[in-house]
Amino acid sequence: AQSVAQPEDQVNVAEGNPLTVKCTYSVSGNPYLFWYVQYPNRGLQFLLKYITGDNLVKGSYGFEAEFNKSQTSFHLKKPSALVSDSALYFCAVRDGQGGADGLTFGKGTHLIIQP
Amino acid sequence: EPEVTQTPSHQVTQMGQEVILRCVPISNHLYFYWYRQILGQKVEFLVSFYNNEISEKSEIFDDQFSVERPDGSNFTLKIRSTKLEDSAMYFCASTRTRGSGETQYFGPGTRLLVL
Repeated sequence: AQSVAQPEDQVNVAEGNPLTVKCTYSVSGNPYLFWYVQYPNRGLQFLLKYITGDNLVKGSYGFEAEFNKSQTSFHLKKPSALVSDSALYFCAVRDGQGGADGLTFGKGTHLIIQP
Repeated sequence: EPEVTQTPSHQVTQMGQEVILRCVPISNHLYFYWYRQILGQKVEFLVSFYNNEISEKSEIFDDQFSVERPDGSNFTLKIRSTKLEDSAMYFCASTRTRGSGETQYFGPGTRLLVL
């Protein structure tokens, strides 16, 4: 079985500061990892994914994430936060070796960027 | 940029009534998914669909649920006899292929409230 943990319900960051939203995963095969963002009353928007290759993945809106196999982590980062980054962020995983069709999501982390 | 669309955006129904949620996946996508998100909880996989049949379904997807693609564009989720606990946001998603690394693109969701 696969699982995702997002240990923080909420992350508060001042505008202009770097931000990190944490994610750890458990999967029996190769992890395929995804980050999605959800703005209020909106659907899930794809940000970035790690499939293979470079451990640092760059995505939309200046976000990036670092895959760390030894720590089974895929933390989302941004060098300089914007107030408009405030939203709910979900990490998700699929097993790359014949795994289930569906993504397994974490419970989400509220990111609040303070002006 | 192509998007997944869903109708209606909100649906209120009485317990025991049937509801049909509609989705129009991205036009060249072949795999379709339904997920739900109960308020304050994780996004959960319900079912995947390919070539006019269910590819995979979760434990949540019991006999009260059904999916079909009645024409070349719509993908529907039917709940035969709604229960209070079916109140949730329902998301449709689609992918071009079934590969585990494929990005699932989500629609904006239908918020279902069962009274």
